[in-house]
Amino acid sequence: KAGVTQTPRYLIKTRGQQVTLSCSPISGHRSVSWYQQTPGQGLQFLFEYFSETQRNKGNFPGRFSGRQFSNSRSEMNVSTLELGDSALYLCASSPMTSGANVLTFGAGSRLTVL
Amino acid sequence: AQSVTQLGSHVSVSEGALVLLRCNYSSSVPPYLFWYVQYPNQGLQLLLKYTTGATLVKGINGFEAEFKKSETSFHLTKPSAHMSDAAEYFCAVTSPGGTSYGKLTFGQGTILTVHP
Repeated sequence: KAGVTQTPRYLIKTRGQQVTLSCSPISGHRSVSWYQQTPGQGLQFLFEYFSETQRNKGNFPGRFSGRQFSNSRSEMNVSTLELGDSALYLCASSPMTSGANVLTFGAGSRLTVL
Repeated sequence: AQSVTQLGSHVSVSEGALVLLRCNYSSSVPPYLFWYVQYPNQGLQLLLKYTTGATLVKGINGFEAEFKKSETSFHLTKPSAHMSDAAEYFCAVTSPGGTSYGKLTFGQGTILTVHP
């Protein structure tokens, strides 16, 4: 079955703009998580959504937001972009059935802020 | 709070040699532990996971890891390196259920280079 799909794969924005990234989870997966990956800070958890509700949130400013739709697809938005927001944004989905909820990651959206 | 320390940001081995990537964790509750691999311009792929039960876990591509509670370690090994193993490897920890939904705490990563 299809994996986690993230769009767009690459994008370039300028400071002050906003950006929306999209994530389609594996069919049947109801949980979607977002991570930011940078050379300096590594992989950092942004937030997690399940059944259209945010259940967990990392330590990021309010400029970072997200949502999940009834079909489990998710979007994240970053407003008032800063140079430091340049990163690979990874989405992961999980079935959230029982036991260890293994995350399956997409290929990521690489954001460059100029 | 949970944390992960990967010893050695770069590891270099010869093809056919033993691969050993070190991971130590800190967790106040019994952890779930994972190893992921990332190839250039790709996302993370799960290699293996430890939840409960057998402390020696086997994963894909010939990798395995042993959970040692007394040492708070979860080192990744492979008996014989292959050129295709060259990638960046991440150790991650989470805790079962509770408020850890979707949240993995990752180490800083270890870049594995394999020489012919």
